[in-house]
This record gives sequence, C-alpha cells and structure tokens, in this order.
Amino acid sequence: AQSVTQLDSHVSVSEGTPVLLRCNYSSSYSPSLFWYVQHPNKGLQLLLKYTSAATLVKGINGFEAEFKKSETSFHLTKPSAHMSDAAEYFCVVSLSYNTDKLIFGTGTRLQVFP
Amino acid sequence: GAVVSQHPSRVICKSGTSVKIECRSLDFQATTMFWYRQFPKQSLMLMATSNEGSKATYEQGVEKDKFLINHASLTLSTLTVTSAHPEDSSFYICSARDNQENQPQHFGDGTRLSIL
Repeated sequence: AQSVTQLDSHVSVSEGTPVLLRCNYSSSYSPSLFWYVQHPNKGLQLLLKYTSAATLVKGINGFEAEFKKSETSFHLTKPSAHMSDAAEYFCVVSLSYNTDKLIFGTGTRLQVFP
Repeated sequence: GAVVSQHPSRVICKSGTSVKIECRSLDFQATTMFWYRQFPKQSLMLMATSNEGSKATYEQGVEKDKFLINHASLTLSTLTVTSAHPEDSSFYICSARDNQENQPQHFGDGTRLSIL
C-alpha cells in the first residue's frame, strides 16, 4: 500500500526567504514521487518528479526536492520565495512502474508575504 | 511541453441538466486519461480511468451511469454528468498520460461546475 503525508497544511514565508514544504511517503514498492502546484481555479502543473534516478531532483521555477529513502521523505525546497509562488502544492506518490494510480497528499497552501 | 486542454472552464446550469466536459491532449497521444474531482480545500479524488476504445474503469463509490465517460480517440476524453444536481457541484479535473513509458500525468485547468 502507498500513502503520502504532507506535514503542514499552511506555510507562510516572506518574499526572498527560503521555502520548505514537507512530504513523507510510505510505499511497499519502489515509488515514483511528484510535486505538483495548483494556482486558484486551475489544474495541476508538474514541478518535478523522482523516478529512481538522481536523488536530488531539480524542477521548474527554481524548486528542487531530495528523495531520502532512509527518512521516507521528499521535501520540496526553494532558496528564495517569489510572490508568484503563492499556491497550493501537492506531494504525490505512485508505483515506479505504474504512474496511473496517483496517491495525493492533502496539500500545503503556501503564502508569500511582501 | 505536454499540454492538456479542458473545456469548458466553468459551467452554471439548472438542476436536471446534463453537462459534458471535454479533455484533449494537444501535443501527444494518450491511450489513458483520468478524471478527478476536487472538493473545496481538499485534495484530488480519482473518479475514473478513461481508456481509448474501451470502457472506463470507475473507482469505488463512483456511479458510472451518473458520470458517463467516452474516450473515442487518442486525444479526446469526455465526461458527461447526467441529470446533474446541486451535490454534483464541484471542480472536475482531467489528466492525460503520454503513451510513452514512465511519463507523468499532465493536468487540464479544470472545470468549475455549479448546479443551481
């Protein structure tokens, strides 16, 4: 069975400061992990994905995430927040060989203050 | 990059109306597309998996006669909410996966359905 836990429902940062969105997963098999971003009344945009290659994954808009098997974590980071980063972020897990069944975290709302 | 177009973006209609939502993969072929429902401030819930040329696979608790899915080509899937009622009001999002192996799902912009 697979599951994903996003530890924070809300995160607030000031513009220009680092962003950390936490995600822990559980998977019986080798997982694929994704971070998606959703702006209000929009669909989901893929930020980055981990599929058993390099453990440090770089995505779009300056985001990156590190797969840590020992900690079963896949936290999303960005060195410097921008106002446009304010959105809902979803951590998602699937089986590495079957990305049809996505298990979504409950989401983290990121607020960025000027 | 892979683009999924979903139309319409917003629908407001009377109770009892049937509403059709289209999901198109614009620059890739998708044998498989997915339909999700998202309640306010909640995560996405998979409703069904749409398979080109065959019947859709519905998740437990989703009424297949209520939510009709047609996937007639490699670039188009439609979801029809039949005889919609206020409790069907929600945000519906489709996604599509490129037929190439190990490709992630790409999502449409969603359809806000409001039933009066």
